[in-house]
Amino acid sequence: GAGVSQTPSNKVTEKGKYVELRCDPISGHTALYWYRQSLGQGPEFLIYFQGTGAADDSGLPNDRFFAVRPEGSVSTLKIQRTERGDSAVYLCASRLQGPNYGYTFGSGTRLTVV
Amino acid sequence: AQRVTQPEKLLSVFKGAPVELKCNYSYSGSPELFWYVQYSRQRLQLLLRHISRESIKGFTADLNKGETSFHLKKPFAQEEDSAMYYCALSGRGNKLVFGAGTILRVKS
Repeated sequence: GAGVSQTPSNKVTEKGKYVELRCDPISGHTALYWYRQSLGQGPEFLIYFQGTGAADDSGLPNDRFFAVRPEGSVSTLKIQRTERGDSAVYLCASRLQGPNYGYTFGSGTRLTVV
Repeated sequence: AQRVTQPEKLLSVFKGAPVELKCNYSYSGSPELFWYVQYSRQRLQLLLRHISRESIKGFTADLNKGETSFHLKKPFAQEEDSAMYYCALSGRGNKLVFGAGTILRVKS
């Protein structure tokens, strides 16, 4: 596609429920990143995929968060037993591999846990 | 550890005035530094990268390794420059580390 696509754009869920957030990167971009942006903060790194594998998941806050990218393209961020503190904008970015390529961000999914 | 500091939460200037958005970083190796901009209700967009040494929309930024800074500058602010600006660093492991951001408000 022309850009990084994230769905849904908004998600409201009840505390304790399970949610899935989807990211469709730019075609051919091998690297994919998830970030979380809380109100008044810069984006915080969650996880990075190179192809199908998670190359760095050090930013995932706890084991309620999990992400997959089974075919090396679309990725899904999964949050179990959501808590109010999970409310944030979840951003996805993709890039071609290598230091000379910039990151392209999606417009994000605004998750609200009530 | 990789860290990016943007000391100003808000910078307010008049149209036509010079702008400098400050960014300091902490990183032990050779970082890749970026400025991203987010206009109202739009996605994060790359503004410029230190590696390309280009000027975008009149903005420039020079990497100063001695002062570990990458300040963003523009000689004459325009109203359409009003936005949130994030400085970011990419070091080991490819991930971007962002500062907290600075809101630039250009008044007419």
